[in-house]
Amino acid sequence: EIVLTQSPGTLSLSPGERATLSCRASQSVSSSYLAWYQQKPGQAPRLLIYGASSRATGIPDRFSGSGSGTDFTLTISRLEPEDFAVYYCQQYGSSEWTFGQGTKVEIK
Amino acid sequence: QVTLRESGPALVKPTQTLTLTCTFSGFSLSTSGMCVSWIRQPPGKALEWLALIDWDDDKYYSTSLKTRLTISKDTSKNQVVLTMTNMDPVDTATYYCARYLSSRASYFDYWGQGTLVTVSS
Repeated sequence: EIVLTQSPGTLSLSPGERATLSCRASQSVSSSYLAWYQQKPGQAPRLLIYGASSRATGIPDRFSGSGSGTDFTLTISRLEPEDFAVYYCQQYGSSEWTFGQGTKVEIK
Repeated sequence: QVTLRESGPALVKPTQTLTLTCTFSGFSLSTSGMCVSWIRQPPGKALEWLALIDWDDDKYYSTSLKTRLTISKDTSKNQVVLTMTNMDPVDTATYYCARYLSSRASYFDYWGQGTLVTVSS
């Protein structure tokens, strides 16, 4: 099983600031199978990024994804009030899917 | 318009078997590349993938839970059913079903609202 480790656990930032979230895999992951999700309290996760760097339908361009191999990054260029949430990375490999433990982006 | 909805008991007793149904619309599970998966989330914790069934009726299970899980589909009813045996309080979680597209890039693009299952005597 590929383990995804997200850092930091919590990111305290102000609206308008840049957020950089990391997702590190225990072994190499195909970029095609790396996705990011946003989850707000009481809601289901929402797909943000797939294929490591492609934005899902309707996702603002302030969200971007990058990376390859074992290191992936989600960047939010300028935080809007609605962006404060928990973010999860997810991968598929060897007939199993795994999620990271999440990064909470909170208002400073 | 794609929608998914989970249904099942809100409360189960320890050692009982949980049966959850995902009823979906807006796509067919007989279409190549279409899959439905179950994912759970204990209160305040991270998402955990459980099982997935694809258009060809291939089934995949979490290594750590595979002995307790069974996933099946009824294409005519647009339903996917998950059973989990020998429930324990640590299985208390919100259970989500989600559509998964298996293609050049693969992802969970639509999710149900989730159903909270509490395991308690």
